[in-house]
Amino acid sequence: DAGVIQSPRHEVTEMGQEVTLRCKPISGHDYLFWYRQTMMRGLELLIYFNNNVPIDDSGMPEDRFSAKMPNASFSTLKIQPSEPRDSAVYFCASSLVGELFFGEGSRLTVL
Amino acid sequence: DQQVKQNSPSLSVQEGRISILNCDYTNSMFDYFLWYKKYPAEGPTFLISISSIKDKNEDGRFTVFLNKSAKHLSLHIVPSQPGDSAVYFCAASETGANNLFFGTGTRLTVIP
Repeated sequence: DAGVIQSPRHEVTEMGQEVTLRCKPISGHDYLFWYRQTMMRGLELLIYFNNNVPIDDSGMPEDRFSAKMPNASFSTLKIQPSEPRDSAVYFCASSLVGELFFGEGSRLTVL
Repeated sequence: DQQVKQNSPSLSVQEGRISILNCDYTNSMFDYFLWYKKYPAEGPTFLISISSIKDKNEDGRFTVFLNKSAKHLSLHIVPSQPGDSAVYFCAASETGANNLFFGTGTRLTVIP
């Protein structure tokens, strides 16, 4: 298996623009997680899904953030409108039981 | 509020010596702990874990120690190698929960 695949790897955008990050989990994994990495807070959980259903979105910082999982092989994290403080590396991870497998991350820079 | 804390942002160690990375947690419900390793431009990868029924778990050069009363765990790497240079994240979870709470990471540099 190719592992968790994220796109884009890098995104530079201007404040106010919409940003969409994409994730393809490992086939067969029924949990999908979105994390954000910052220097101050490390890896913080934004939202996670089980069998395509959002289970806990309490980590989503604001209404500007939304996440969907229309099917077992695809998820999106959308930020609209984006702000400079959203600049971070966003990781998607999937799991079956226990261990999380992470993608390589999407580095977002909002100018 | 950070439930998992790594108070040392960085650590430098000579090759061949022991590296000790520390982690503290505040939630007494946590009973499963993991260490992840992250190289630049890559996602974190699982390294080693420990359940609260144990106080030590060893895998080759890597050993994790758990002190439940102090809510503290540590990762020992012996001997340290230059390839171990990476950011190490401590993580914790509760039985039955599926999300992990991560610390802020410690950047380890092993000097040849």
